[in-house]
Amino acid sequence: QVQLVQSGAELKKPGASVKVSCKASGYAFTAYYMHWVRQAPGQGLEWVGWINPHSGGTNYAQKFQGRVTMTRDTSISTAYMELSRLRSDDTAVFYCARGGGGYWAPVAYWGQGTLVTVSS
Amino acid sequence: NFMLTQPHSVSESPGKTVTISCTRSSGSIVSNYVQWYQQRPGSSPTTVMYEHNQRPSGVPDRFSGSIDSSSNSASLTISGLKTEDEADYYCQSYDSINWVFGGGTKLTVL
Repeated sequence: QVQLVQSGAELKKPGASVKVSCKASGYAFTAYYMHWVRQAPGQGLEWVGWINPHSGGTNYAQKFQGRVTMTRDTSISTAYMELSRLRSDDTAVFYCARGGGGYWAPVAYWGQGTLVTVSS
Repeated sequence: NFMLTQPHSVSESPGKTVTISCTRSSGSIVSNYVQWYQQRPGSSPTTVMYEHNQRPSGVPDRFSGSIDSSSNSASLTISGLKTEDEADYYCQSYDSINWVFGGGTKLTVL
């Protein structure tokens, strides 16, 4: 069965960077886009961007451009999302979510979420 | 970029029917598929509707989706409400390359 297992919770200081991993299993990793979604405490879902695991191509929401980098390691079927220059309002749960064969295709599977806390 | 606007909250009694709307600010609602995600407290979201009106396997047929080009909106309708349907619901669509989520609607079944 399809599983997305994310790395554990992180506590970071303002100005630092965080890298969250998402290990996929149960399907052909390179065949499906991976999205990242942020959810601040008590707030809604916010799309961060996507990566095409086959080509490594990425697209980021304008709000995060310049601070976010999405990568993948196909040898271990793992996607990564790194966010730099962290601020206190970056405190949130980050989800990886497997889409379809194109960027437009809907999410069918979600990771369990990774809580990133930014605090001095 | 466009926005997707949802009501902040809706409430209805068990057994009744509720409809949650999602209005697109610019661009045609018809042109790009709309998805709906359910999120219960403390859990990851799950997909309850995709491509406007397609139900994933395992989602009961009490859930249905539709679009209305005249109001440029999508709707998620849940009939025969159960207490387990109480959750946050998010619509999502896209434009040429970016995704957008609606702000979410809290459904209370009381």
